[in-house]
Amino acid sequence: DAKTTQPPSMDCAEGRAANLPCNHSTISGNEYVYWYRQIHSQGPQYIIHGLKNNETNEMASLIITEDRKSSTLILPHATLRDTAVYYCIVRVRETNTGNQFYFGTGTSLTVIP
Amino acid sequence: NAGVTQTPKFRVLKTGQSMTLLCAQDMNHEYMYWYRQDPGMGLRLIHYSVGEGTTAKGEVPDGYNVSRLKKQNFLLGLESAAPSQTSVYFCASRPSGSRISADTQYFGPGTRLTVL
Repeated sequence: DAKTTQPPSMDCAEGRAANLPCNHSTISGNEYVYWYRQIHSQGPQYIIHGLKNNETNEMASLIITEDRKSSTLILPHATLRDTAVYYCIVRVRETNTGNQFYFGTGTSLTVIP
Repeated sequence: NAGVTQTPKFRVLKTGQSMTLLCAQDMNHEYMYWYRQDPGMGLRLIHYSVGEGTTAKGEVPDGYNVSRLKKQNFLLGLESAAPSQTSVYFCASRPSGSRISADTQYFGPGTRLTVL
């Protein structure tokens, strides 16, 4: 699986959009970009994933550059409850194995009142 | 649905003691995983299972054993605990198949283990 690079920490004002970047310059054509987050002391929670098109769900939007070498997770209106560590993961969608997700150290997002 | 549950939530062991962590899921998921998380580090995979009766090693399997005798349960054993195994342990599961939902791992609340 391709390696990802994320900033170790970011701050965001409450109510503003939080834009979390991720670099994955060695991504291959069949690898998806996944985002999970981990709120303090809890298990990680799935947020969103995509291949090459931008994706949106009730939690966030995922913007993937045309060359797919980087992506941005957008939380449109950050709240204090969005304070968490956000993990960007790149992996192949293997459906017949238990292929694991490699979690790096992620970005610690702090939403400031 | 309780989702993924872990037992116990907290445990303190002395060096050399043994224990078993239990993970249970009621979502009929095929795949189950055990991770550990240490301060300042992301999650690292210990062992995983692609189905009842099967297990495989992850990134950091040494010092741990696992068993998947029933589909809904995944046990993590420490035969002789060491201080280096002090960590928070997370279990996860996900379904098999090609649907998008199969990509999502569901995590338990974690077990905080301290080895003195």
